Parts: sequence; C-alpha cells; structure tokens
Amino acid sequence: GESVGLHLPTLSVQEGDNSIINCAYSNSASDYFIWYKQESGKGPQFIIDIRSNMDKRQGQRVTVLLNKTVKHLSLQIAATQPGDSAVYFCAENKDTGFQKLVFGTGTRLLVSP
Amino acid sequence: DGGITQSPKYLFRKEGQNVTLSCEQNLNHDAMYWYRQDPGQGLRLIYYSQIVNDFQKGDIAEGYSVSREKKESFPLTVTSAQKNPTAFYLCASSIWADPEAFFGQGTRLTVV
Repeated sequence: GESVGLHLPTLSVQEGDNSIINCAYSNSASDYFIWYKQESGKGPQFIIDIRSNMDKRQGQRVTVLLNKTVKHLSLQIAATQPGDSAVYFCAENKDTGFQKLVFGTGTRLLVSP
Repeated sequence: DGGITQSPKYLFRKEGQNVTLSCEQNLNHDAMYWYRQDPGQGLRLIYYSQIVNDFQKGDIAEGYSVSREKKESFPLTVTSAQKNPTAFYLCASSIWADPEAFFGQGTRLTVV
C-alpha cells in the first residue's frame, strides 16, 4: 500500500456544525465504497456505503456523495456532536468480497463543545 | 448478543518470542480477516479465511501465521520473523463475498 505520514489530516468543528470529510479514491473501476468510524483504541464501525451507480445516499445524520468524474467521495455529518469525534476512513472495493477493500489513511474529526 | 471479540486488549512481547492473538465471533460468519493498523496508515490485510480449514495470505502476511479449525475462531500468531510487530491488530468477520464486515475492538501489541 501507499506509504503515508504519521499525522492524519484533521478537521476541527464546533458542536452543531455540519462536517464534511473528503476522500479521493484510486481506482475508477471501484464499484463499492464504505465509510467507517473508528474511535480511539477501538475497531472501525460501519457508517454508510454507496455503490458506483449512485451519486448520493443518506443515512441517519450522514450523507455520502460520490463523484466518479473526479474519483471523490465525501461524508457529510449533520449537526455534529462530540460523540462524532473519531477517525473516519473511506474504503473502496474493486472486486467482490471484503478482502478486496482498500482502505484510505483516515481523517480525524475533532468536535468542540 | 452477537459480536466479535478480540483478546487481550493489550499485549506485550519480548523480542524473539512468538505471540498469539485471539479472535472469536458468534455471528455465524463464514469469513474472517486480520488487519494491521499503524499510526497514520490505513488498514492492511494480513490473512483472511473464507471457510473453516482454509485461509489465504493478504498483502502483508510475512512473519504471521493463522489457523481456522473452527468457524468461530481465527487466531493470529505473530512470529519472531515479523520485523516490526508493534501495531494495533484488528480482526473482522463477514458473510463471504459481502463487502461489509464487522470489526473487533483490536489488540495493541507492543514488543519490548
């Protein structure tokens, strides 16, 4: 995998603001994308997914947008709460099966009260 | 309460020793996976298993070994051949060919 630095990109927001976390993916042939949330010292938790035949998908307080033209994925969190503070990973799947997922390096979201 | 359990949460090992990390799931998933996570990096796949008594190398299998004698269990052994074993190890399970998996809480291994 790609070598990356030790410091994660960080997004700092105030409680109640909307957050937008961005992710650039590498393979135009990828047909499935997932966002995971990882709190400190814990395993990643599934947030939302989207297939390449969609541009947008909404969940509870979260929306994922997919722009295939520029290979860009974003996660929008509405009314961000302190409990949303975590590292957020995007992952792309070029083939069937979880073992084919390619994970990004993550973005740290810090929410201030 | 279904889930995936990793133990121990923290593990210390002396250089040159093998150590085994436990992963158990009661989700009735066929597939299980081991990932390594280093600071500032994405998850990297070590090994995965599609079914009992079968497993495949992932992207960084060197210095690791696994077994899959039971559907519920997929232990990972970090051998002395692993050059940089200090890391956060994550186990996951899924329905085979399903793009989503469930993760355990992780084991932080430190070599001293």
